Amino acid sequence: SQTIHQWPATLVQPVGSPLSLECTVEGTSNPNLYWYRQAAGRGLQLLFYSVGIGQISSEVPQNLSASRPQDRQFILSSKKLLLSDSGFYLCASTGWGNSPLHFGNGTRLTVT
Amino acid sequence: AQTVTQSQPEMSVQEAETVTLSCTYDTSESDYYLFWYKQPPSRQMILVIRQEAYKQQNATENRFSVNFQKAAKSFSLKISDSQLGDAAMYFCAYRSAGSGGSNYKLTFGKGTLLTVNP
Repeated sequence: SQTIHQWPATLVQPVGSPLSLECTVEGTSNPNLYWYRQAAGRGLQLLFYSVGIGQISSEVPQNLSASRPQDRQFILSSKKLLLSDSGFYLCASTGWGNSPLHFGNGTRLTVT
Repeated sequence: AQTVTQSQPEMSVQEAETVTLSCTYDTSESDYYLFWYKQPPSRQMILVIRQEAYKQQNATENRFSVNFQKAAKSFSLKISDSQLGDAAMYFCAYRSAGSGGSNYKLTFGKGTLLTVNP
């Protein structure tokens, strides 16, 4: 089964600073990868997904970007963080067919 | 675009009792998958149960079962013999059955916070 490693678990960053969140997947090859954000007390909003190396699709316009430099590595970045970027970020992975989405443990980002 | 609605922001149940969480969805597709995920205070997302739309039989996983009404676009979760460990946020989610990476993304409802009282 898939294992998703996501780090760091908690991050506090000042406004205007850069961001890099990393996610790696074990136990599968050529996964579909996703970044979701969960605001406090809210549901999950899909930010980006990737079906292969270098292939990134953005779901919502925002201050963030994503990259997939390797098959099982997915990175969420920002050049300058905004207060509104605070939230809980979840990386997820799925294979093909009806396989479910597997999630990492998430990163709690606080922008001060 | 598909939408998922969970009309109950919060629910509570007594330990050992049964509770049903509601979910409705809107789609023009005929084939898709539906999921219930549980998010405890640790915030780890845990798959509870899934249903393929082409199957008429309702899915069951131990104390968790669903009532899938395709025509009504309804997908409720029943938790029997509720336990304290069931306390969590529960999310209903939809996924298209089409091929291609964009079809594998999940659309989530806003969640129902379940409290289990001892």
